[in-house]
Amino acid sequence: QKEVEQDPGPLSVPEGAIVSLNCTYSNSAFQYFMWYRQYSRKGPELLMYTYSSGNKEDGRFTAQVDKSSKYISLFIRDSQPSDSATYLCAMKSDASGTYKYIFGTGTRLKVLA
Amino acid sequence: NAGVTQTPKFQVLKTGQSMTLQCAQDMNHNSMYWYRQDPGMGLRLIYYSASEGTTDKGEVPNGYNVSRLNKREFSLRLESAAPSQTSVYFCASSESEARDTQYFGPGTRLTVL
Repeated sequence: QKEVEQDPGPLSVPEGAIVSLNCTYSNSAFQYFMWYRQYSRKGPELLMYTYSSGNKEDGRFTAQVDKSSKYISLFIRDSQPSDSATYLCAMKSDASGTYKYIFGTGTRLKVLA
Repeated sequence: NAGVTQTPKFQVLKTGQSMTLQCAQDMNHNSMYWYRQDPGMGLRLIYYSASEGTTDKGEVPNGYNVSRLNKREFSLRLESAAPSQTSVYFCASSESEARDTQYFGPGTRLTVL
């Protein structure tokens, strides 16, 4: 079993829809949770960063962490064609000397105009 | 302010050839990383450098070597390329190993025949 599981998609939605992207994980030591957006043939760029549990909102994006269920989500409101990209979740533990992120495989999102 | 730059963008090698991937950052970051990205595998850490003068192995270091030339530059060398090293390689940097915002370069697409 992979430490981080993410549905690869593709997920196709109409413009204006609310999108829900999810990752599950198995390591209860993970404390830092990130979402990256990666456009085709580009490097990943950080979208959201959350420490421990709870919600964080930034414009049309909301990141949610449920540590009891080992489940994180990224919601995109009023989705736009420009949101079409691959979304990667990443997480890291707080253990001393652990500099390693564990990345999900990414979910490909297509927002149709 | 270019952020993280990588050269070359594309490369085709024959089995057994060697090459060096170059990475530079202009954000005065202390920590730098090399990842590879393969379909269905996500981003996997090859090597990282927590600070100038130090390097450590990541998840998949076999077949690679690194050099942290100075604070700005971190190179990845393939001594004897193998088809299994066909991948997209990303360099990233962060303010420190404890800071979770990693900034990624545009990537190098490497094919080994």
